[in-house]
Amino acid sequence: AIRITQSPSSLSASTGDRVTITCRASQGISSYLAWYQQKAGKAPKLLIYAASTLQSGVPSRFSGSGSGTDFTLTINCLQSEDFATYYCQQYYSYPRTFGQGTKVEIK
Amino acid sequence: EVQLVESGGGLVQPGGTLRLSCAASGITFSNYWMSWVRQAPGKGLEWVANIKQDGSEKYYVDSVKGRFTISRDNAKNSLYLEMNSLRVEDTAVYYCVNGGWWFDYWGQGTLVTVSS
Repeated sequence: AIRITQSPSSLSASTGDRVTITCRASQGISSYLAWYQQKAGKAPKLLIYAASTLQSGVPSRFSGSGSGTDFTLTINCLQSEDFATYYCQQYYSYPRTFGQGTKVEIK
Repeated sequence: EVQLVESGGGLVQPGGTLRLSCAASGITFSNYWMSWVRQAPGKGLEWVANIKQDGSEKYYVDSVKGRFTISRDNAKNSLYLEMNSLRVEDTAVYYCVNGGWWFDYWGQGTLVTVSS
């Protein structure tokens, strides 16, 4: 199974900050990577697929980049509603696997 | 509006059986791969299984192979997960999810608790 290492596991930031979360795959996965946001007690929400394609309705302050083994989710100008846990997920092969999550907390 | 509504969760003893259902609306259900993803309490996300549009292909995570069966009824716009020989470590919220690669839409989840 492809292992996804996500970092950091948590971070503290203020509204208006730029936040970067990274995922590293244990082998090359081309651009077969998605990003999700999960708020407490809620189901995850798709943000980005194909490493950099923004899902319809997702604010443009979210962006994704990378290919191969290294990927990045960037949130520009962090808003109060962005405090949540973020997960990456590979769909290059089975089993589909997720990173362990990054909790973005208020500083 | 896409809606995925899970049902069938509950408390079951180790070794027991449970069947989860998911009713889909707002999408042409028969056009999409569908998946189950679970989340143990306080933990991360784990993909469980997925099924092709016509049910001809099914894939499972190793930890549930031989115990869980995914199925669908396109006439009823419904997805199912039959869970046998349940273990304590299967305790989780189970989400019905639209998609087989990335996951576009998620249900609200149904809690399965395996405990004696």
